Amino acid sequence: AQTVTQSQPEMSVQEAETVTLSCTYDTSESDYYLFWYKQPPSRQMILVIRQEAYKQQNATENRFSVNFQKAAKSFSLKISDSQLGDAAMYFCAYRGSSNSGYALNFGKGTSLLVTP
Amino acid sequence: DTAVSQTPKYLVTQMGNDKSIKCEQNLGHDTMYWYKQDSKKFLKIMFSYNNKELIINETVPNRFSPKSPDKAHLNLHINSLELGDSAVYFCASSQAPPGTIYFGEGSWLTVV
Repeated sequence: AQTVTQSQPEMSVQEAETVTLSCTYDTSESDYYLFWYKQPPSRQMILVIRQEAYKQQNATENRFSVNFQKAAKSFSLKISDSQLGDAAMYFCAYRGSSNSGYALNFGKGTSLLVTP
Repeated sequence: DTAVSQTPKYLVTQMGNDKSIKCEQNLGHDTMYWYKQDSKKFLKIMFSYNNKELIINETVPNRFSPKSPDKAHLNLHINSLELGDSAVYFCASSQAPPGTIYFGEGSWLTVV
């Protein structure tokens, strides 16, 4: 089974600064998808960004971008110009082939604190 | 309109009771999921249905039984509730081959 590791249980960033959340994964598949989800205190799961493994270009969504290193099996999330509303739990997730039923495998999450 | 909706949002019940959580999606997706998020916030897949067929059945007690009457609905029935069943249960859906998975707002189950 694929495993997803988020080595930072907690991170802190000041407003307007940049922070990078780390994620590594283990897989033998060549075709897969990677995601970052945000979970605020309301517990709603909000998709932040998605990356297809076959794409070499790193995905970006406004202030959110990823650094996808396929050979290193690394998928970090960079948040630029951090805002108070970015404070949340962030989950990295892997989604593989049909053999795994297309389900998401999640990391344990990184709690992001944003300070004024 | 809510894309993936779950009811109830909050549920407090006694040990030994039987309860159901309902899920509906209006996105036209053909795959639906149930995830459990425990007190440490770890999210784990429980079940997955594709076109009403069960395709993932992770190691969960057989007290948990999913039912999919049609592609737009996936309900979760739990028999003989135990304290350890207290968690947030998320329904989700996607289009397969792997489209983005969209989550419902979660159902907070507390067993007392």
